[in-house]
Amino acid sequence: NAGVMQNPRHLVRRRGQEARLRCSPMKGHSHVYWYRQLPEEGLKFMVYLQKENIIDESGMPKERFSAEFPKEGPSILRIQQVVRGDSAAYFCASSPEQEGNQPQHFGDGTRLSIL
Amino acid sequence: AQSVSQHNHHVILSEAASLELGCNYSYGGTVNLFWYVQYPGQHLQLLLKYFSGDPLVKGIKGFEAEFIKSKFSFNLRKPSVQWSDTAEYFCAVRGGGGFKTIFGAGTRLFVKA
Repeated sequence: NAGVMQNPRHLVRRRGQEARLRCSPMKGHSHVYWYRQLPEEGLKFMVYLQKENIIDESGMPKERFSAEFPKEGPSILRIQQVVRGDSAAYFCASSPEQEGNQPQHFGDGTRLSIL
Repeated sequence: AQSVSQHNHHVILSEAASLELGCNYSYGGTVNLFWYVQYPGQHLQLLLKYFSGDPLVKGIKGFEAEFIKSKFSFNLRKPSVQWSDTAEYFCAVRGGGGFKTIFGAGTRLFVKA
């Protein structure tokens, strides 16, 4: 049990559809990070959020991608009008605080496939 | 800008062989360093971390890593690998006091039984 819960585990979409990926952080964690993993590549940072705030979205593509972490409920990574190149594994991580000696804990990921 | 370089993308070893995976990073200040392991189809798990103090860090499952500041390196080692160590290993760096963790491209280790 990873503690960080992501769903769905697998998501299949056709080109042009929307993909919504959910992440519930570990209990007590208020910081959420999203990463994208492409085949043969490492994890690429996308966005860092705290409750109701986007702290750093420097890794997010400028178009079609958005993320939120509302006061209640999971963090959502949303990809509009998906294209084949969006196929990847998307991982969410959480930590209890920004600073200090706290590593991130990862979820199982969502594998997005675009037909 | 921060970056992490892992020297080998694929490593194949026989059981009981010794392992060393290279990791070099680029960052000018204080760093936190991590090694994560990802077993097939699973999430990333923390193997070990370095924040300060003894540069030789021991982690789970018999892994250790040595931080050599002068070489900007944080190589992962294990004296004797097992078939169950077959996985992908990621080195990561975070600027001290920061939040953005930068990952290397990963090294896929395959251990032959």
